[in-house]
Amino acid sequence: QKEVEQDPGPLSVPEGAIVSLNCTYSNSAFQYFMWYRQYSRKGPELLMYTYSSGNKEDGRFTAQVDKSSKYISLFIRDSQPSDSATYLCAMKVLTGGGNKLTFGTGTQLKVEL
Amino acid sequence: NAGVTQTPKFRVLKTGQSMTLLCAQDMNHEYMYWYRQDPGMGLRLIHYSVGEGTTAKGEVPDGYNVSRLKKQNFLLGLESAAPSQTSVYFCASGASGRMNPNNEQFFGPGTRLTVL
Repeated sequence: QKEVEQDPGPLSVPEGAIVSLNCTYSNSAFQYFMWYRQYSRKGPELLMYTYSSGNKEDGRFTAQVDKSSKYISLFIRDSQPSDSATYLCAMKVLTGGGNKLTFGTGTQLKVEL
Repeated sequence: NAGVTQTPKFRVLKTGQSMTLLCAQDMNHEYMYWYRQDPGMGLRLIHYSVGEGTTAKGEVPDGYNVSRLKKQNFLLGLESAAPSQTSVYFCASGASGRMNPNNEQFFGPGTRLTVL
């Protein structure tokens, strides 16, 4: 079983829809949670970062963490065609050298006009 | 600033050939990483470095070697390429400690490697 599970999609939604992307994890030591966005044929870039249970909002994006259920989500409001990308969740334990991250497999999102 | 750059962008190798992938960063980051990305497998850490002259194994190190002789460069070597090493390789870098409160890693554009 992988430490981090993520539905690979693809997920196709109409423009303006609310998108929900999710990851589950099995390692209780994960304390930091991130969402990276990766456009086609590009490297991933950090989108959201959080370390506590609850919600964190940044514009149209909301990251939600439920440590008791080992479940994290990314919500995208008013989705735009420019949001079409692969979204990878990533997690990190509290201590340990090198800030190593464990990534999910990524969910491919397409927002259609 | 160029950020993280990778050389080459594409490469085709025959089984048994060797090659070196070069990663360079101009952000003065302590940490550097090499990942491979395969369909259905996500990003998997091959090797990483916490500073000049240091390297450590990641999740999938077999068949790869690395060196970090200069702080800004991180080299990934394949001594005898195998078809299973066909993948997209990403290099990343990140600051250490309080310089990086979000534990952010900055990624290069990737190298697409095919081993025939």
